[in-house]
Amino acid sequence: QVQLQQWGAGLLKPSETLSLTCAVSGGSFSSYYWSWIRQPPGKELEWIAEVDHSGTIIYNPSLKSRATISLDTSNNHFSLKLTSVTAADTAVYFCATPKGFYPYLDLWGQGTLVTVSS
Amino acid sequence: DIQMTQSPSTLSASVGDRVTITCRASQTIYSWLAWFQHKSGKAPKLLIYKASNLDSGVPSRFSGSGSGTEFTLTISSLQPDDVATYYCQQYDLYPRTFGRGTKVEIK
Repeated sequence: QVQLQQWGAGLLKPSETLSLTCAVSGGSFSSYYWSWIRQPPGKELEWIAEVDHSGTIIYNPSLKSRATISLDTSNNHFSLKLTSVTAADTAVYFCATPKGFYPYLDLWGQGTLVTVSS
Repeated sequence: DIQMTQSPSTLSASVGDRVTITCRASQTIYSWLAWFQHKSGKAPKLLIYKASNLDSGVPSRFSGSGSGTEFTLTISSLQPDDVATYYCQQYDLYPRTFGRGTKVEIK
């Protein structure tokens, strides 16, 4: 069964850089785009960024240029970096992707809790 | 940004009840709406795409309707396995946005 496996540091200090990676396991497919989404405690899901199959990248302006998404097609994984983190970046971070060339997200990772605390 | 207003925020119903969740967009999103089911600690699961299309493997008791700015997710006969939080998401414009979620519980 195809899955998204994600990993990265779960505890950061303010001003550090968040780094998460997501990879496909259990199969392969050609996706339309790859995305990151987060959910702060008690709040709604927030879309962070996506990179499509051609390398076009779109970010949520709310992240104010702190986010960088990248796609490594040779290794079939994609990553998120978020610089200068604060307590407001504490959240469960999800990677997600369509399993084909369509615009809706039908495959999600299980989430990584990232806590920012001094 | 397109605001997605979901209601109710919490819903308690009995097994077998018909349950309806509403999602309202701040501007038209045509039919570019998805519904997700999220159980704590698990990956969110796509239920409905393009407002009314049931994703593969999703039980037929789930259905979606609506277009433009008003959408609904209906569970025709609530089951214990349906206890979860449900989110709508628009994928018409960037940034993609989600509703705040509806927590469904069994009475």
